[in-house]
Amino acid sequence: KAGVTQTPRYLIKTRGQQVTLSCSPISGHRSVSWYQQTPGQGLQFLFEYFSETQRNKGNFPGRFSGRQFSNSRSEMNVSTLELGDSALYLCASSFGQGSYEQYFGPGTRLTVT
Amino acid sequence: DAKTTQPPSMDCAEGRAANLPCNHSTISGNEYVYWYRQIHSQGPQYIIHGLKNNETNEMASLIITEDRKSSTLILPHATLRDTAVYYCIVRVGTGNTGKLIFGQGTTLQVKP
Repeated sequence: KAGVTQTPRYLIKTRGQQVTLSCSPISGHRSVSWYQQTPGQGLQFLFEYFSETQRNKGNFPGRFSGRQFSNSRSEMNVSTLELGDSALYLCASSFGQGSYEQYFGPGTRLTVT
Repeated sequence: DAKTTQPPSMDCAEGRAANLPCNHSTISGNEYVYWYRQIHSQGPQYIIHGLKNNETNEMASLIITEDRKSSTLILPHATLRDTAVYYCIVRVGTGNTGKLIFGQGTTLQVKP
């Protein structure tokens, strides 16, 4: 069974631009969560989606948004990029809602210049 | 949610057992202990979880003390590929949210 895939793997953007990251969960998994990882803050929860609905959101500004499609694929968007948004963005999928047995993708490395 | 405490770093000789401790003295009765690891520049990897009984899978064993205030993840025969940051997370088994709260973890260095 294929694992979680994330595209693109690497991205360079300029301050003020926006970016969209994509995540395809493991087949049959209906829950997708997003995390941000930086050297200073470590791994931080962004949001969680299940059945196309956002179930939980972390403490991030409104510039960070996401959505989930009917096939469980998910996208996250960051608008008006700031230098501090440079990070590894990780997507994780799980079978059901509220599961802590999650399977992570390789991440998208975003660099904002 | 219960707070966990892990040593920041540990070394282990290749081929030997790696024993990674975690303290969770405020754990409540319905909270599970989950372990993840993150190899450099990769996404975290689920290892194992347990409630109160010892658990074993193909990757590791999890030993939880009888009072459940601490646990140990055991990698029976550590290899260089086990060098990673190991995270101990305490959560209710399943809940309204799958939010994982990662601390700083333990950096395990397996040495030849």
